This record gives sequence, structure tokens and C-alpha cells, in this order.
Amino acid sequence: SQELEQSPQSLIVQEGKNLTINCTSSKTLYGLYWYKQKYGEGLIFLMMLQKGGEEKSHEKITAKLDEKKQQSSLHITASQPSHAGIYLCGAPGAGSYQLTFGKGTKLSVIP
Amino acid sequence: NAGVTQTPKFQVLKTGQSMTLQCAQDMNHEYMSWYRQDPGMGLRLIHYSVGAGITDQGEVPNGYNVSRSTTEDFPLRLLSAAPSQTSVYFCASSYRGTSGGSNTGELFFGEGSRLTVL
Repeated sequence: SQELEQSPQSLIVQEGKNLTINCTSSKTLYGLYWYKQKYGEGLIFLMMLQKGGEEKSHEKITAKLDEKKQQSSLHITASQPSHAGIYLCGAPGAGSYQLTFGKGTKLSVIP
Repeated sequence: NAGVTQTPKFQVLKTGQSMTLQCAQDMNHEYMSWYRQDPGMGLRLIHYSVGAGITDQGEVPNGYNVSRSTTEDFPLRLLSAAPSQTSVYFCASSYRGTSGGSNTGELFFGEGSRLTVL
């Protein structure tokens, strides 16, 4: 079965700093989803990457998919307290309807 | 827009009791699924459905039953609750299943149901 490893597990940054979260798959990636979760709440969809080399941005968050490395990175520029939360990556298996998730990266942003 | 609605938001059960977590979506999504989220374990798929009348097991199906009689509803049943089922449960739906290698749809999540089994 596919496994997604996220790094780091947790991250504390000063407001205004840039940061990167990585998601590495044990198998071929057929797409990659990024979600954000605030404590006690549901998951909010950030973006979906479908092709190798694809890069998407939403406000100050950029995600990139590297098919060869079986990896995706999420980069936040000039972090703000509103970026704090748990970031999860998810990926579909080959020919499968199942979406596997990483264990998440907990981000804290200090004002 | 209601999206994905889960009830109840909180529930405390005693070991051996039964209950049903309700999930409804108003987006006419074909695909629905249930996940549980535990500290250090991430999100794990319990059961999923690709349409009315069709269900299948995910990664951790034991102790849970599901049915899909309508497109809108996908209830999760615990027949005899155990402390190991203490968790936060999320229902999710999408227009098309996340089938590898093809265009996929965004997975919409409910706000979660926090279950404690004593």
C-alpha cells in the first residue's frame, strides 16, 4: 500500500519567514492533494497537483509536484499567524478510489 | 451551501453500545468515504462508496458497517463500540472518485464527529 511521509512533523516559525513542507510517496504519484486543518475543524482544500512539474499558487502558498522524486513540496512565503494549522498531503493509488494521507505537519507561526 | 454535514459533532458512548454517525452531502457527489483521525496516525480510510448501493472497505474497516441507499447519505454504524474506536471521524465526498491516473475531483470534508468510548 502507498505511504506518504511528511517532513517536518512540526514547525515553529517567526511571522514573516518562509517555510517548506515536504511530502514523499513510497510509490508512483498519480496526483497530490494538499489540505489544511485547524484544530477541531475539518479539512480545507488548498490545491491539487496532477502532473509532474506542475506548480500551483494560492495567495502566499505554492505547491510543486516532482514525479521523478515521488515528492511534493508546499512553500509558504512571508508566513502569517493565519497560516498556522496542520497541513496534510493526500494521494490516490493507481486505479484506486482510495486517497491515502500523510500524518500531517503542524505549523505554528509566532507573531 | 451546506456541503458535507456530519452529525453528531460530539458523542460519548459506553463500551458495547451501538450508534450511527450520519453523513449527508447536497452536491450530488458519487463518491463518499469515512476516515478516522488519530494522533500520530493521520487520516485512515474506513469505508467508501462510489455510488448508491455500492460500498467497499478501506484500510481500517473492522468494527464498522456502512450502507449507501441514496446518493446523499452515507451513515457509519458502530455495532458494539470499543475504546479503540475513540477518534475523530470525518466524512468526505467528491464528484468523481480519486482514481489514479485520471482527472480527479476535490474531496470535500465534513467538520468531523468526535467520539469517545468509555
